[in-house]
Amino acid sequence: ILNVEQSPQSLHVQEGDSTNFTCSFPSSNFYALHWYRWETAKSPEALFVMTLNGDEKKKGRISATLNTKEGYSYLYIKGSQPEDSATYLCASARMGNQFYFGTGTSLTVIP
Amino acid sequence: SAVISQKPSRDICQRGTSLTIQCQVDSQVTMMFWYRQQPGQSLTLIATANQGSEATYESGFVIDKFPISRPNLTFSTLTVSNMSPEDSSIYLCSSLGSRDSSSYNEQFFGPGTRLTVL
Repeated sequence: ILNVEQSPQSLHVQEGDSTNFTCSFPSSNFYALHWYRWETAKSPEALFVMTLNGDEKKKGRISATLNTKEGYSYLYIKGSQPEDSATYLCASARMGNQFYFGTGTSLTVIP
Repeated sequence: SAVISQKPSRDICQRGTSLTIQCQVDSQVTMMFWYRQQPGQSLTLIATANQGSEATYESGFVIDKFPISRPNLTFSTLTVSNMSPEDSSIYLCSSLGSRDSSSYNEQFFGPGTRLTVL
């Protein structure tokens, strides 16, 4: 079992604020890091797959970075909007398709 | 990418009963998985649903408690047997695939089944 940790557990921000949260994972035998966005009553939606140390990915106002040597990834949201409210999950994937998920960061954006 | 549906979306069940959750994928997929997320916990893999053979269970999960069927490459069921309040959780199915031939595999999820056991 891989120990994947996310922080903070929950976050409340004002509309327009920028925010970020962390995913940490064991750096040994790293294969890929996945970020998902999970809104209540909907399917978790894949945001990014990151594989290389130093990777940076961007999708609109959301971006992510990856440090495989020290075992962490940051997710950034610029200018948060109420529709960004969701739980953000990260998962470290091993070869053989096993995904290990963190407990998620629950984001609430207050209008 | 695959589109996955699950039913029921939610249920409230009495202790000692069983519930079967269905998962339908809109395309043939090799690998399907069942997860649960208990309150405050991470998404935890229950088992890999294998087509044509018995499911592969993770440590702490057994077939008698969570029987799984996978009759074909687009459908699977998970049964939560002899339920207790500790089984209250969100149950999700997923499939493994890639958006295009150059992408790493991703997991595509159903919307989940929210189970409450009284």
